Amino acid sequence: DAKTTQPNSMESNEEEPVHLPCNHSTISGTDYIHWYRQLPSQGPEYVIHGLTSNVNNRMASLAIAEDRKSSTLILHRATLRDAAVYYCILRGADGLTFGKGTHLIIQP
Amino acid sequence: SQTIHQWPATLVQPVGSPLSLECTVEGTSNPNLYWYRQAAGRGLQLLFYSVGIGQISSEVPQNLSASRPQDRQFILSSKKLLLSDSGFYLCAWSVLGIVNYGYTFGSGTRLTVV
Repeated sequence: DAKTTQPNSMESNEEEPVHLPCNHSTISGTDYIHWYRQLPSQGPEYVIHGLTSNVNNRMASLAIAEDRKSSTLILHRATLRDAAVYYCILRGADGLTFGKGTHLIIQP
Repeated sequence: SQTIHQWPATLVQPVGSPLSLECTVEGTSNPNLYWYRQAAGRGLQLLFYSVGIGQISSEVPQNLSASRPQDRQFILSSKKLLLSDSGFYLCAWSVLGIVNYGYTFGSGTRLTVV
């Protein structure tokens, strides 16, 4: 899988929107952009994925740059339960390779 | 609906003892199956993946082995545990051959080798 770059940590306040960035300048045309999150002492949880168009689901939105070299996961209204490590991953034929992710801290 | 079961949740084993962790998937056929390990404070490392019964691919050389005796059963084993085998072990499944599909992870086994 191609490599992604994410900030090590981010901090936000409860009930405010959160924008988690991810750079993937070497993405190939067939790579899907996947986001997962991992709460403490739990397995990763699928959040959202997309290819070219922006995507929305009940958990989050995914905004994908026109050149696909970057994307942003948007949590519209963060809660304390959203505190987790968020992984941005490019999924190709070889499966998922996890980086270090972004540790999201939510302040009450 | 599809579910994935992984057990035990926690395990404390002495150095040199054997290991067997089991993972089973329900509600799907012919899944891709994966074993990941997460050392304390580190990211997830893919250990093994399987695309079918008896088919195992290893990503990194290590003291562990994997087997897939049935379509929806994936087992992680070791003959003699090392201290460095401690970590959080996660099993996952995905739909075979489809990149536009997410992974579903089990709840994990926290292994401490003492």
